Amino acid sequence: KAGVTQTPRYLIKTRGQQVTLSCSPISGHRSVSWYQQTPGQGLQFLFEYFSETQRNKGNFPGRFSGRQFSNSRSEMNVSTLELGDSALYLCASSPAQVGTEAFFGQGTRLTVV
Amino acid sequence: DQQVKQNSPSLSVQEGRISILNCDYTNSMFDYFLWYKKYPAEGPTFLISISSIKDKNEDGRFTVFLNKSAKHLSLHIVPSQPGDSAVYFCAASAPGRGSGQNFVFGPGTRLSVLP
Repeated sequence: KAGVTQTPRYLIKTRGQQVTLSCSPISGHRSVSWYQQTPGQGLQFLFEYFSETQRNKGNFPGRFSGRQFSNSRSEMNVSTLELGDSALYLCASSPAQVGTEAFFGQGTRLTVV
Repeated sequence: DQQVKQNSPSLSVQEGRISILNCDYTNSMFDYFLWYKKYPAEGPTFLISISSIKDKNEDGRFTVFLNKSAKHLSLHIVPSQPGDSAVYFCAASAPGRGSGQNFVFGPGTRLSVLP
């Protein structure tokens, strides 16, 4: 069974631009979550989607948004990029049930210059 | 306000000995706890989990202990191997928040297993 796939792996953007990251979950998994990892803050929860609906949202500004498609693939978008948005963005997929582990992709390393 | 704490940023252990990684949490609503291992340039890999109705879960060399009254959990690795060298994250989740997956992660502990 293929794992969680995130594209692209690396990205360099300029301040003020916007970026879209993609995540394909494990086949059959309907929940997709996004996390931001920075050296100072660790892994911070961004949001979670299930059946194309946002079920949970972390404490990030509105510049961070996401969506999920009918095939469970998800995208996250960051608009008006800031230098502090430089981070590793991780996507995780889970079966529908609550209280199960999440399986992470390798992440997208975003650098904002 | 850090709800999940891992107070040891790093830990060094001799190969073959026991590694004990600790995690404390503040939110008494957390009812499901997980440990993840992360190598550089890779996503976190799930290791082991425990629900709040248990106080111990074992899987091979990995055992997680949960002390609800102390809001403390620990991961024991016995025996430790050089391949266990990685950053270990403790994570927790609470029910009811949209009934979805929303893990709160600790800052991680870097384990080095010395040959």
